[in-house]
Amino acid sequence: EPEVTQTPSHQVTQMGQEVILRCVPISNHLYFYWYRQILGQKVEFLVSFYNNEISEKSEIFDDQFSVERPDGSNFTLKIRSTKLEDSAMYFCASTLAGTFDEQFFGPGTRLTVL
Amino acid sequence: AQSVSQHNHHVILSEAASLELGCNYSYGGTVNLFWYVQYPGQHLQLLLKYFSGDPLVKGIKGFEAEFIKSKFSFNLRKPSVQWSDTAEYFCAVALNTGFQKLVFGTGTRLLVSP
Repeated sequence: EPEVTQTPSHQVTQMGQEVILRCVPISNHLYFYWYRQILGQKVEFLVSFYNNEISEKSEIFDDQFSVERPDGSNFTLKIRSTKLEDSAMYFCASTLAGTFDEQFFGPGTRLTVL
Repeated sequence: AQSVSQHNHHVILSEAASLELGCNYSYGGTVNLFWYVQYPGQHLQLLLKYFSGDPLVKGIKGFEAEFIKSKFSFNLRKPSVQWSDTAEYFCAVALNTGFQKLVFGTGTRLLVSP
């Protein structure tokens, strides 16, 4: 069964460093998402991406964050200058049809900012 | 803004007990409703979803949920739980429009003792 994959599974970085979290969505999917979950808190929407552009972003998704689909398979989340409060589990999701379809989630990347 | 409430944060049951997890949302428009499950060490998986039609929806592994529009609720049920149902359960809501950003509840951690 096709699945969303994410790398790395765990990333440790120093405050102020740039990190890139990578996702490979299901191959024929067209809509892509990033969510995050700070330990003990809700899963929160960060950004949605369709047709090579951001379709919606949350207040969390400030200028430190960016997303890219550099090729036909990868979908990346970049945090330019990490802060302690960026420590969280980051989930990538994808869906084929957007509104009337379920989102398939990856296993997540645990980001630890020291 | 949309919000989703899950009233039970931790639930402990014995095998064969019945389960009901509450979920309420605050949004007056048309919504799509989901229950996701996260087994230990695994990624979020869809249990069931409601878009329209019969408000009683059946999902995988014997789970079902009932959408009660007047109560803004989408409670998850299972008549007889098994040890393998030990997991965290998330209710999520999306607007029935646009790119379907999911708004999650805080999650309910279910522990089923054998």
